[in-house]
Amino acid sequence: QSALTQPASVSGSPGQSITISCTGNTSGFSIYNSVSWYQQHPGKAPKLIISGVSNRPSGISNRFSGSKSGNTASLTISGLQAEDEADYYCHSFTSTSILVFGGGTKLTVL
Amino acid sequence: QVQLQESGPRLVKPSETLSLNCTVSGGSISLYLWTWIRQPPGKTLEWIGYIHGSGPSTTYSPSLESRVTMSVDTSRSQVSLNLNFVTPADTAMYYCARLTEGGFDVWGQGTTVIVSS
Repeated sequence: QSALTQPASVSGSPGQSITISCTGNTSGFSIYNSVSWYQQHPGKAPKLIISGVSNRPSGISNRFSGSKSGNTASLTISGLQAEDEADYYCHSFTSTSILVFGGGTKLTVL
Repeated sequence: QVQLQESGPRLVKPSETLSLNCTVSGGSISLYLWTWIRQPPGKTLEWIGYIHGSGPSTTYSPSLESRVTMSVDTSRSQVSLNLNFVTPADTAMYYCARLTEGGFDVWGQGTTVIVSS
């Protein structure tokens, strides 16, 4: 069981918006303002798409946005496109400088 | 533009030591934290540890720290990973990545390691 909980899968049709949640599941793994999100296509290395909860690195589409409320961070993808179909992972630092990942969410574009 | 390239044996025997290198090009190794992350087939990402580019400050995952050693060779711009006493459960894609406040912003392409006799 991962320290950060994500839904195993989400799906949406082209043009729609979807949201993937990431929740710290123990008191020791609180979601700090260091949450980042990664997109991973099959056979490829993960790619940073959101840093520091809601910041988009250079070159990342503004269709990707991040937010945080309490102990849950969220990634929203608007205007879904076929190329968005991938696995998505959240990551956070913890109070003890240990790093943790979520279990990953498979996004299917219908 | 910073690029990372992992290298090392693809096949390691059980109980032996897995040794990988990550070569950093296009940027300074000394100014950043460098991390190893692995991903078993079909599974999620697992953070192994990180080291400061100027060495030797390290932080390891509690689940692996008894078997892990990371080091930096600034003259070669390399970050190394040693994982002792491997088992088939250590079979995975191993990535090196640059760690900043915002997360892992640069990744290598990864290298597959299979633990088998």
